[in-house]
Amino acid sequence: GQSLEQPSEVTAVEGAIVQINCTYQTSGFYGLSWYQQHDGGAPTFLSYNALDGLEETGRFSSFLSRSDSYGYLLLQELQMKDSASYFCAVRSQAGTALIFGKGTTLSVSS
Amino acid sequence: GAVVSQHPSRVICKSGTSVKIECRSLDFQATTMFWYRQFPKQSLMLMATSNEGSKATYEQGVEKDKFLINHASLTLSTLTVTSAHPEDSSFYICSARDLETRSYEQYFGPGTRLTVT
Repeated sequence: GQSLEQPSEVTAVEGAIVQINCTYQTSGFYGLSWYQQHDGGAPTFLSYNALDGLEETGRFSSFLSRSDSYGYLLLQELQMKDSASYFCAVRSQAGTALIFGKGTTLSVSS
Repeated sequence: GAVVSQHPSRVICKSGTSVKIECRSLDFQATTMFWYRQFPKQSLMLMATSNEGSKATYEQGVEKDKFLINHASLTLSTLTVTSAHPEDSSFYICSARDLETRSYEQYFGPGTRLTVT
């Protein structure tokens, strides 16, 4: 089976940088994804890493180390609207469903 | 592109009744759709994988006779919660992949909030 660990809560102030870590255990590995979910809303795709290294998309970056079964999401220049839950997710093989971590609630204050 | 819709967005039903939730891929074909359930302040838990034209695959612990899934076309999957009970009250979210574009991304519907009284 699969399991993912991420911190339950993170707090930060506007303009700061936050890193949300994710460690995973999976029988197979087909990439690490990150999703954002605001209260009452649907998850929205942020980033995907299939290979080791850093992927940058605007203020968000994601990193993967397959040898360590570890990844992180880096959020820069935090804004109030970034307050949400962030989930890491893995897929054990192509074509199967994403399995999500328990989520990290990010609270950004002014 | 890659929009997934769900209907209804909210539903309240009485205990013992059945509720059907529809999930549609609006601008792409989805041979596979996924159904998740999310309780407040918790993660998305995969319930089942819905394959067009064949039986759904249910995750361990999910009762297939209670949560009926039908995937009759490449753009529509339905989840029917039968004999609903208050403990079935949850946020149900469907998801689909567009195999013609980015195969790694799953597109999520807006979710259906079910309340059983």
